[in-house]
Amino acid sequence: DSGVTQTPKHLITATGQRVTLRCSPRSGDLSVYWYQQSLDQGLQFLIQYYNGEERAKGNILERFSAQQFPDLHSELNLSSLELGDSALYFCASSVDGTGFSGNTIYFGEGSWLTVV
Amino acid sequence: AQKITQTQPGMFVQEKEAVTLDCTYDTSDPSYGLFWYKQPSSGEMIFLIYQGSYDQQNATEGRYSLNFQKARKSANLVISASQLGDSAMYFCAMREGRDDKIIFGKGTRLHILP
Repeated sequence: DSGVTQTPKHLITATGQRVTLRCSPRSGDLSVYWYQQSLDQGLQFLIQYYNGEERAKGNILERFSAQQFPDLHSELNLSSLELGDSALYFCASSVDGTGFSGNTIYFGEGSWLTVV
Repeated sequence: AQKITQTQPGMFVQEKEAVTLDCTYDTSDPSYGLFWYKQPSSGEMIFLIYQGSYDQQNATEGRYSLNFQKARKSANLVISASQLGDSAMYFCAMREGRDDKIIFGKGTRLHILP
């Protein structure tokens, strides 16, 4: 158990709909990351928050947004869903976002999203 | 340009044999970290081992060791005495000192045969 909690574990929804994925980081971790894993694209970094502020942005679509709340949990919102958004979405956390390369990023178990 | 390259899409290994999974990386940052993660069929991403660019010794964690060859920019994962439970996807990843995110290679699917 990595200590990172993600809900829901599985989600099936229709095209055009909106979903919210939730993440609770490990106790004491200030940084939260979101990754998308699909068969054709591999593991793609979406976005990172550090202590409530956006720190880095990756290949995140405009239809997607995220935020980190004062209690450090984070949500990833996916809207106007398309079939191609079906993927495993990971949340991960680390101690801080100082750029120190030693800080391991621990992953949650992921949220499986299927868009039909 | 790809920063993390895993050239072995799949490998089959007999149980109890040692396994080496290849990883090469590309960075101009003198400070970086290299990671290996295991992803079983259930989907979770499990951290295995970490090697810092300034570490003098190769990292070891139980049956896992990281063969770090800095000049070659190589960070191979070695699994000693493989077990059936080692069957999974393995990802090599890198975090550069100036950056916070980890970038991943495409992975190697390891099959351990009984």
